Amino acid sequence: KAGVTQTPRYLIKTRGQQVTLSCSPISGHRSVSWYQQTPGQGLQFLFEYFSETQRNKGNFPGRFSGRQFSNSRSEMNVSTLELGDSALYLCASSSPAEAWGVGTQYFGPGTRLTVL
Amino acid sequence: AQSVTQLDSHVSVSEGTPVLLRCNYSSSYSPSLFWYVQHPNKGLQLLLKYTSAATLVKGINGFEAEFKKSETSFHLTKPSAHMSDAAEYFCVVRPGNEKLTFGTGTRLTIIP
Repeated sequence: KAGVTQTPRYLIKTRGQQVTLSCSPISGHRSVSWYQQTPGQGLQFLFEYFSETQRNKGNFPGRFSGRQFSNSRSEMNVSTLELGDSALYLCASSSPAEAWGVGTQYFGPGTRLTVL
Repeated sequence: AQSVTQLDSHVSVSEGTPVLLRCNYSSSYSPSLFWYVQHPNKGLQLLLKYTSAATLVKGINGFEAEFKKSETSFHLTKPSAHMSDAAEYFCVVRPGNEKLTFGTGTRLTIIP
């Protein structure tokens, strides 16, 4: 079974631009979560989607948004990029077949975003 | 609210010697606990998880962890370190269906 895929793997943007990152979950997984990883802040939760609905949201400004499609693929968008948005953005999917509340998240390789 | 404390930011061990990576957690109710590993420029890979079954959990690559409720700890161990174990390790807590909370990570260095 193919793992979580993320595109693109690397991205360079300039301040003020916007960016869209894509995540395809493991086949059959309906939950997708997004995380930001930086050296200073570590791994921080952005948001989680389940069946096209946002289920949890982290403490990020409104410039960060996401959505999930009917095929469970997800996108996250960052508008008006700032230098501090440079990070590794990780996507994870989990299966609803596991018991409620203990779903294991499987991570993709990430998209490394550099903002100049 | 939940939190995770990884007690060592960096651990160095010689190849063939035991590994101990320490993790303490706090949670308002019984959580699920995970250990993930991240190799350079890679995503996170699940090593093992605790979900209120056996308190000693065995994972991949010879790693295991013991859940101790009285000590609120979930330390990761391996009897004999291998060079390929060099990576960053994250302890993670998830109470119920809430969001994952990650520790700050422990960088494991293996000395040849």
